[in-house]
Amino acid sequence: KAGVTQTPRYLIKTRGQQVTLSCSPISGHRSVSWYQQTPGQGLQFLFEYFSETQRNKGNFPGRFSGRQFSNSRSEMNVSTLELGDSALYLCASSNEETQYFGPGTRLLVL
Amino acid sequence: QKEVEQDPGPLSVPEGAIVSLNCTYSNSAFQYFMWYRQYSRKGPELLMYTYSSGNKEDGRFTAQVDKSSKYISLFIRDSQPSDSATYLCASFYSSASKIIFGSGTRLSIRP
Repeated sequence: KAGVTQTPRYLIKTRGQQVTLSCSPISGHRSVSWYQQTPGQGLQFLFEYFSETQRNKGNFPGRFSGRQFSNSRSEMNVSTLELGDSALYLCASSNEETQYFGPGTRLLVL
Repeated sequence: QKEVEQDPGPLSVPEGAIVSLNCTYSNSAFQYFMWYRQYSRKGPELLMYTYSSGNKEDGRFTAQVDKSSKYISLFIRDSQPSDSATYLCASFYSSASKIIFGSGTRLSIRP
């Protein structure tokens, strides 16, 4: 069974730009969660989508948004990028018992 | 108080030693418990997960959950330098609830 895939793997943007990250979950998993990971803050939960609906949300500003499609694939969008948005963005897909992470997208904002 | 607490380390042990990694949690509703291993600049990799209390063994790894004391442990036997990574514990109580992660413990195995 294929694992969670994320594209792109690396991205460089400048302040003020926007970015869209993509995640394909494990086949059969309907829940997709997004996390931001930085050395200083650790793993921080952004949001979770289940059957195309946002089910849970973390404490991030409205610049961070997401959506999920009918095939469970998910996208995350960050608008008006700031230097502090530089991080590893991780997508995870879940069944009822546990969660599996993708390799992440490393975003650098200059 | 964080719902899942984990000592960040770093923890350094010699090769071959038994490693004990621990977390405590505060939400008695938690039912599912996971351990992830994360190498530098990579995504977390699921090592083991357990449901409710008890032990689960997989090769050199043993996960233990004690719901009475709200304690989660991961034991690594015959530790290898390749086990050097950050280990994250995580818990949740239902598929509709958020998964709560510990802050991670950085482990280093000295050859």
